[in-house]
Amino acid sequence: AQSVTQLGSHVSVSEGALVLLRCNYSSSVPPYLFWYVQYPNQGLQLLLKYTSAATLVKGINGFEAEFKKSETSFHLTKPSAHMSDAAEYFCAVMLLDTGRRALTFGSGTRLQVQP
Amino acid sequence: GAGVSQTPSNKVTEKGKYVELRCDPISGHTALYWYRQSLGQGPEFLIYFQGTGAADDSGLPNDRFFAVRPEGSVSTLKIQRTERGDSAVYLCASSTNGLAGVGTGELFFGEGSRLTVL
Repeated sequence: AQSVTQLGSHVSVSEGALVLLRCNYSSSVPPYLFWYVQYPNQGLQLLLKYTSAATLVKGINGFEAEFKKSETSFHLTKPSAHMSDAAEYFCAVMLLDTGRRALTFGSGTRLQVQP
Repeated sequence: GAGVSQTPSNKVTEKGKYVELRCDPISGHTALYWYRQSLGQGPEFLIYFQGTGAADDSGLPNDRFFAVRPEGSVSTLKIQRTERGDSAVYLCASSTNGLAGVGTGELFFGEGSRLTVL
């Protein structure tokens, strides 16, 4: 079973519109959760992370995500999209109920921002 | 810069050949990870080093793949008898505490080595 699922491989929004990228996890124990961004021809970089502290996490570039245990979700949002937000976004989990200490990544969501 | 460095950035080889990909992590980072990213997919875990030892190699697809980190810094991913299905971007990442305990989980990625097997 997939431990992390990103709904929507492509999302297109207008500049200034709300960005919502979805991520759901599958684990009996709430995992650590992460969002990474990959700009063209660059390495992945961390946007934000949840490691069992506050459930609403703020990251760089105005992004935030909320951990919802009841929904097993960690959706990424930004109130107002900017052209520079166009990139690929990956949700990742570190499963705490296994011995694995490496991150497992979702398949990614490509965000397009239309002028 | 002081980021994760990967070489070569691009490698084209023929089926059946041997390939080495190198990763130079951020100085002082004890943990090093190899991932593979195929087109349209997220990074797929291959192997994780804590220091010189492979703490988790469960992601290596078969025995043609091998990785070493002899001095606890630079790592080399080795692929024998390459196949067309090995074509992908190979990503290296490092982190400060290896996630062996309750770590921060933040990985610092290199830009990857794009491998094309003809």
